[in-house]
Order: sequence, then structure tokens, then C-alpha cells
Amino acid sequence: NFILTQPHSVSESPGKTVTISCTGNSGSIASNFVQWYQQRPGSAPTTVIYEDNQRPSGVPDRFSGSIDRSSNSASLTISGLKTEDEADYYCQSYDSSNSWVFGGGTKLTVL
Amino acid sequence: EVQLVQSGAEVKKPGESLKISCKCSGYRFATYWIAWVRQMPGKGLEWMGIIYPGDSDTAYGPSFEGQVTISTDKSTSTAYLQWSSLKASDTAMYYCARLGMAVAATFPSPDFWGQGTLVTVSS
Repeated sequence: NFILTQPHSVSESPGKTVTISCTGNSGSIASNFVQWYQQRPGSAPTTVIYEDNQRPSGVPDRFSGSIDRSSNSASLTISGLKTEDEADYYCQSYDSSNSWVFGGGTKLTVL
Repeated sequence: EVQLVQSGAEVKKPGESLKISCKCSGYRFATYWIAWVRQMPGKGLEWMGIIYPGDSDTAYGPSFEGQVTISTDKSTSTAYLQWSSLKASDTAMYYCARLGMAVAATFPSPDFWGQGTLVTVSS
């Protein structure tokens, strides 16, 4: 089974930069695109990064995505943190059957 | 303006059937995939499946194959998720999403999401 592992939680201060990792347990995470979703408390998810590093219209350029083949991981970096960035973040990719696989989610606290 | 508006919260008993909806507007419904995602209370996101309204091509996540049915009605631009016999473990929030963003991928990523439908199954 293809599994994506994320840290359970991260915290950082406003104005700082935080990076959330998403590590694949097998294969190459670079073989399939990775998406990142933001879910604020009580709200539906929204897409903040698709196809590894593409930002949807309306998502600020403080959000960026990358792939590190050496660690078989994807990362979401948020710079210039704002309190409104406090949310759960999920990575998502695909397994060998093209089924979607989500990471367990990371709770970002901005304090 | 693209909108995905989901049906309201449901409270059901184990063994009952249920069909929830995702009414789509503001775009050509038949030409975009729709995905369904489950979120159990306090838990993460799980992919249930996708459907292409144009030809009803459907794929289910391994955990959901045979457990739910995904369908669409092109005449009303609505996607559906249904259960024939609910279990307590089906208690969750369910989201639909339009798959509309692609630069290099074969499969698009979600660009618009519904607001979610809370399903509670309890005796």
C-alpha cells in the first residue's frame, strides 16, 4: 500500500516561514503529481497547490510546493505566515492504480 | 460563477438507504470529472471515487467499491452519492469537488468544492 506520511502538527509565529513535509513509503513520489489542500476549521477543503508546484488562481504566492527526490517527499512551504493560514493541510497523490491517496494531515498553528 | 451546492444534513438509522446530492452550476457539467471525499469525525480526508458525467465513467476507491454508488443526472447537472444500507461507520462529512485544474497532468485536480453534507447514522 502506498502511504503518505505528514507530521501531525507544526507551529510557527506570524511572519515566519513554515514547511510541511509529505513522505511516500514506497516508489518515487516524483512519479505522480502531488496536490495540497487547506482545510480551515468547520470549512470544506480548498486546493492550494496542484501538480507539485502549481498555484490555483487566488492562492497567494506565499504558498509554494516542491518535490525532493532524495527524501522521496513533497513539501508545502508557507512564507510570511498569517493567522488566517491556521488550518489543517493535506497532501494527496496517486497509487499504482491511480487511486487517490491522502496524507494524514498536518495541523498548522500560527501563534 | 461555478458553484457546487450539496444537499442538507441527514440523520438516518442503520440499514436505511440514502442518496445525497451535489448540484453543479456555472459551467458545462458534462465535461468535468466530479470527485467524492469522505471525512469521518475528527479524521482526515479519504477519496471515495470519481465520475465523468459525459459518459458516466466511474472509478471507486478501494475502501468504497461495492459500498456506495456514484452517479450523475446530466439533465439537472447533479452528482449523487448513495448507500443502500447505511452503517454507523458511514457517519461522516461528505464533500464533492469538481476536477478542473490541469497543466501537465492526465487527470485534473479539484478547483471547486461543495460545502459538504453531514451524514449521521445512529439507532
